[in-house]
Amino acid sequence: GAGVSQTPSNKVTEKGKYVELRCDPISGHTALYWYRQSLGQGPEFLIYFQGTGAADDSGLPNDRFFAVRPEGSVSTLKIQRTERGDSAVYLCASSPEGLASRARVFGPGTRLTVL
Amino acid sequence: SQQGEEDPQALSIQEGENATMNCSYKTSINNLQWYRQNSGRGLVHLILIRSNEREKHSGRLRVTLDTSKKSSSLLITASRAADTASYFCATDVQGAQKLVFGQGTRLTINP
Repeated sequence: GAGVSQTPSNKVTEKGKYVELRCDPISGHTALYWYRQSLGQGPEFLIYFQGTGAADDSGLPNDRFFAVRPEGSVSTLKIQRTERGDSAVYLCASSPEGLASRARVFGPGTRLTVL
Repeated sequence: SQQGEEDPQALSIQEGENATMNCSYKTSINNLQWYRQNSGRGLVHLILIRSNEREKHSGRLRVTLDTSKKSSSLLITASRAADTASYFCATDVQGAQKLVFGQGTRLTINP
């Protein structure tokens, strides 16, 4: 596609519920990243995929967070037993390769609100 | 965790003036990138400077990098009201594939 797309754009859920956030990267981009951004803060790294595999998941805050990318394109970030502190904008980015020399192309984000 | 610190946290200037934002970081890097964000949503890549470069230009943007001081600056010349946004520096840390962001500078250009 023309850019990175994320769905939904907004998600409101209740504490304790399960949510899935979807990211559709630019076609052909093998590297995919998830970030979380709280109000007034910079984006915080969550996980990085190279192809289908999670090459670095060191940013996932706890085992309630999980992400998959089964076919090396679309990725889903899954949050179990949501807590109010999970409220944030979840950003996805992709780049052509997993080399440390590339600009990332970011999607518009999903704003998650946990009531 | 955040790698970088940006200074100032907020900057308000008159249209036509130059805006300078600074960024400091902690670890060795492959490159440093600057991004812009409007209204708390998607980030837009502005410029990338590699660790072996000292200065780079792109249109009205000038970026410097001092690896000995682990710092960078972003200069926007002849600012416009449309430059109003948050600006983030981000480092590609050596030995990792993740981009680590600073806290950002909120820039306001007054017409």
